[in-house]
Amino acid sequence: DTGVSQDPRHKITKRGQNVTFRCDPISEHNRLYWYRQTLGQGPEFLTYFQNEAQLEKSRLLSDRFSAERPKGSFSTLEIQRTEQGDSAMYLCASSLVVASGRKNEQFFGPGTRLTVL
Amino acid sequence: AQRVTQPEKLLSVFKGAPVELKCNYSYSGSPELFWYVQYSRQRLQLLLRHISRESIKGFTADLNKGETSFHLKKPFAQEEDSAMYYCALNSGETSGSRLTFGEGTQLTVNP
Repeated sequence: DTGVSQDPRHKITKRGQNVTFRCDPISEHNRLYWYRQTLGQGPEFLTYFQNEAQLEKSRLLSDRFSAERPKGSFSTLEIQRTEQGDSAMYLCASSLVVASGRKNEQFFGPGTRLTVL
Repeated sequence: AQRVTQPEKLLSVFKGAPVELKCNYSYSGSPELFWYVQYSRQRLQLLLRHISRESIKGFTADLNKGETSFHLKKPFAQEEDSAMYYCALNSGETSGSRLTFGEGTQLTVNP
């Protein structure tokens, strides 16, 4: 499968614990995005990278959230001191952004479902 | 502020009937709009984008800047069109930036 992959697919944790999710983008893609989706809502943007540089972070991303893309390939999203409100589906997407802008399609992964008890 | 509104959370039609999924947006710049679809137990995937002006699976969408709308239409719905549909706006400063999504419309096509 050459699509975007995410690991784990499901995570159940207790309030106060730290969790880390991984995203592997499509190999030649230079941009990687994180979104969060709660029940009945569309995905909400969290942050995105161009290669290893984090270009934008949403105001939704509190200090407990941190994302990295150290070598410009896979990315990790860590949530520290989880709260019940963090329960959601965390989606990763990647794209190959070119100057013309005509092919900047974001390809999504299957998501990691987080449940905080 | 950037915003995408899909007024219908649920839409149900019969097979062969026309279908229109509404999307309105609020954006101060030049909008770049998309429709994404999520079939049952599958990942979110791009259906179409306004720049390419193409028809995918019989669906079309026209950007109307005057009405700030990007409604998705299909003249004859099929059962396999049943899915969740999301309208999205590229709300960053450049193409390929963040997407702002609507809340989605669950389309059910009945036999």
